[in-house]
Amino acid sequence: DAKTTQPPSMDCAEGRAANLPCNHSTISGNEYVYWYRQIHSQGPQYIIHGLKNNETNEMASLIITEDRKSSTLILPHATLRDTAVYYCIVRPYFGNEKLTFGTGTRLTIIP
Amino acid sequence: NAGVTQTPKFQVLKTGQSMTLQCAQDMNHNSMYWYRQDPGMGLRLIYYSASEGTTDKGEVPNGYNVSRLNKREFSLRLESAAPSQTSVYFCASSLKKTSGGHNEQFFGPGTRLTVL
Repeated sequence: DAKTTQPPSMDCAEGRAANLPCNHSTISGNEYVYWYRQIHSQGPQYIIHGLKNNETNEMASLIITEDRKSSTLILPHATLRDTAVYYCIVRPYFGNEKLTFGTGTRLTIIP
Repeated sequence: NAGVTQTPKFQVLKTGQSMTLQCAQDMNHNSMYWYRQDPGMGLRLIYYSASEGTTDKGEVPNGYNVSRLNKREFSLRLESAAPSQTSVYFCASSLKKTSGGHNEQFFGPGTRLTVL
């Protein structure tokens, strides 16, 4: 599975957009980009995923570069409840459904 | 729906004691997983079960055994607990499709285990 690289921590002002980058330069054509978050030692929670197109759901937007080597998770209007550790994970479309978690980005929303 | 439930929530063991962590899901998922998370680290896969009756090792299986009792339940056993097994243990489940594609894992609240 492709490895991912994320900044260890970021701050964002409440109400602003939080942009979390992820580098996955060794991603292959049949691998998804997934984002999960973990709020205060709870179990991780799925946010969004994408293959090559940009994606949006009620929680966030995912922007994947054209070469697929990096992506950005966007929380459009961050609230204090978005303070969490965010994990960017790459997994194959077929077969291996296991998730490999790195250390993620600790996002702190500042009031 | 309760989703994924885990028992107990907290446990303290002495070195050498044994215990079983229980996990159950009510979403009719076929795949189930056990992870551990050490302080400041991401989750690491211990074992997983792609379907009832099958189990496979993950990244850190040593010192653990698992049982997929039925489709709903997946237990994790520590036969002889060691201080290095002090961690938070998460169970997860997902609906794996044979055609591949999106596969979201749903996580339980975790069991916080301390081995003295």
